[in-house]
Amino acid sequence: SQELEQSPQSLIVQEGKNLTINCTSSKTLYGLYWYKQKYGEGLIFLMMLQKGGEEKSHEKITAKLDEKKQQSSLHITASQPSHAGIYLCGADIAPRSSSNTGKLIFGQGTTLQVKP
Amino acid sequence: GAVVSQHPSWVICKSGTSVKIECRSLDFQATTMFWYRQFPKQSLMLMATSNEGSKATYEQGVEKDKFLINHASLTLSTLTVTSAHPEDSSFYICSARTTGTYNSPLHFGNGTRLTVT
Repeated sequence: SQELEQSPQSLIVQEGKNLTINCTSSKTLYGLYWYKQKYGEGLIFLMMLQKGGEEKSHEKITAKLDEKKQQSSLHITASQPSHAGIYLCGADIAPRSSSNTGKLIFGQGTTLQVKP
Repeated sequence: GAVVSQHPSWVICKSGTSVKIECRSLDFQATTMFWYRQFPKQSLMLMATSNEGSKATYEQGVEKDKFLINHASLTLSTLTVTSAHPEDSSFYICSARTTGTYNSPLHFGNGTRLTVT
């Protein structure tokens, strides 16, 4: 079973519309990271959230981590074709320690298409 | 800053041969690097954690003799796919975090597309 569930798996929106992608875990998240990927390329870091209730914004993208630190959302306002790609959430599911090297697990990704 | 370079970006090899993929942190040191594998339209699956100067830690189900990892310096980790078979065809991607900064994101290379014929 997937430790990090992302929804929806794919999304097609008209340019200018808002959209939200969710990332849910059954375990406490000690760090939540949002990345964007173009097919066949590397991951581009978007935002990192660590505290319950934390919210960060960059340009038209806002990410939130809920108070319980088990769910995060990524919201895009007034979407543009440049927002198209695969969005992945990654998470630390254990606190950092000498035995935890900081590896991340990832959700299955959300493919976003933005129609001009 | 925090650039991770991966080489080659794509490789085609014949079944039974070995392929080496390099991952370099260009402007920072990384005692730990992570190797992921990604199948089409699927998520990233962690294969192993590469530790500078010591043995790699492999995830359950990943054959360590099949996927050899060497992390000889603070800026270079290599993944060698030995005796490659068509089922090894995949997108391999490495990542690293600046040494000593636990509360920072992983930085990813651009990946290597491996096709085994």
